[in-house]
Amino acid sequence: GQQVMQIPQYQHVQEGEDFTTYCNSSTTLSNIQWYKQRPGGHPVFLIQLVKSGEVKKQKRLTFQFGEAKKNSSLHITATQTTDVGTYFCAGSNTGNQFYFGTGTSLTVIP
Amino acid sequence: DGGITQSPKYLFRKEGQNVTLSCEQNLNHDAMYWYRQDPGQGLRLIYYSQIVNDFQKGDIAEGYSVSREKKESFPLTVTSAQKNPTAFYLCASSRTGHSRSSYNSPLHFGNGTRLTVT
Repeated sequence: GQQVMQIPQYQHVQEGEDFTTYCNSSTTLSNIQWYKQRPGGHPVFLIQLVKSGEVKKQKRLTFQFGEAKKNSSLHITATQTTDVGTYFCAGSNTGNQFYFGTGTSLTVIP
Repeated sequence: DGGITQSPKYLFRKEGQNVTLSCEQNLNHDAMYWYRQDPGQGLRLIYYSQIVNDFQKGDIAEGYSVSREKKESFPLTVTSAQKNPTAFYLCASSRTGHSRSSYNSPLHFGNGTRLTVT
């Protein structure tokens, strides 16, 4: 069945360092979404990528969708303590199910 | 304000008892979902529903049941057949459940219910 793998599972960085999390799907995706879950909270939608090779930016966050639409990455430049949380990717084919990655838990050390 | 309400936030049950988790949305979304979250395993889909009176099993439906009698409500029952029910349960909704394009409506999540079964 559909699988979305995400690495790393945990990442500790000093404040100001960069951070990247990667998602890989076993099958071609129609789109991929990214969510952030703060400690004790619920996932909140960040962005959706649809096109092959697409790159989108939100301030210090850069999202990429691979050319083959099977992988994606989220890069945060100059992390801040407000970036703490778990970042999930969620892949979808043209249907109704979202296949979530296992998440990357980011800790930012002040 | 529109949103998704899950209740209760914490729930404790004895083994062998069925328990129902509530999920209500006033976003007028067509699709609703139930996910289970365990440490290190991400979110796993239990059931989803695209329209009233219709629902489909997700990847881990065994030991769970749902109903969708109203558009706004999608309760989840954790039955005694669920072997490892202790978990964090998240309900979500999206504007359209079935997409023929490459775009999918984002999921809006409730605050979750943390179920502990002893």
